[in-house]
Amino acid sequence: QKEVEQDPGPLSVPEGAIVSLNCTYSNSAFQYFMWYRQYSRKGPELLMYTYSSGNKEDGRFTAQVDKSSKYISLFIRDSQPSDSATYLCAMSITSGSARQLTFGSGTQLTVLP
Amino acid sequence: DADVTQTPRNRITKTGKRIMLECSQTKGHDRMYWYRQDPGLGLRLIYYSFDVKDINKGEISDGYSVSRQAQAKFSLSLESAIPNQTALYFCATSEPGDRGQETQYFGPGTRLLVL
Repeated sequence: QKEVEQDPGPLSVPEGAIVSLNCTYSNSAFQYFMWYRQYSRKGPELLMYTYSSGNKEDGRFTAQVDKSSKYISLFIRDSQPSDSATYLCAMSITSGSARQLTFGSGTQLTVLP
Repeated sequence: DADVTQTPRNRITKTGKRIMLECSQTKGHDRMYWYRQDPGLGLRLIYYSFDVKDINKGEISDGYSVSRQAQAKFSLSLESAIPNQTALYFCATSEPGDRGQETQYFGPGTRLLVL
């Protein structure tokens, strides 16, 4: 079983829809939770970063962490065609100086105009 | 100019050949990473380096080696390429932040095909 599970999609929604992207994880030692966005033929870029359980909002994006359920979500409101990308969740454990990221496999999202 | 650059961007090679992928960064970060990305498997860590004298194996280091020539340069080598090393390779850099958060900055990737 992978430490981080993410539905690969693909997910296709009409412009203006609310998008929900999710990851589950098995390792309760994860403390830091991130969402990266990767456009086609580009490297991933950090979109959202959360440290604790609860919600964090940034414009149209909301990241949610539920440590008790080992579940994280990214919500995109009023989705735009420019949001079409692959979204990767990532998590890290504090382990001495080796703060490595464990990534989900990514969900491919297409927002149709 | 991009903060993290990778060369080449695309490479086709044959089984058994030695190849090197190069990464340079202008962000001034000490920490650098090499990942490979495969469909359905996400990003997996090959090697990482927290400074010039510190090299560590990641999740999938077999068949790969690295060299940290300077703070700004981190190279990945495939000594004898095999077809299952066909993948998209990313270099990344990071630095520690407040409260433990650490953003990784990725290069544009190198698409490698081993025939």
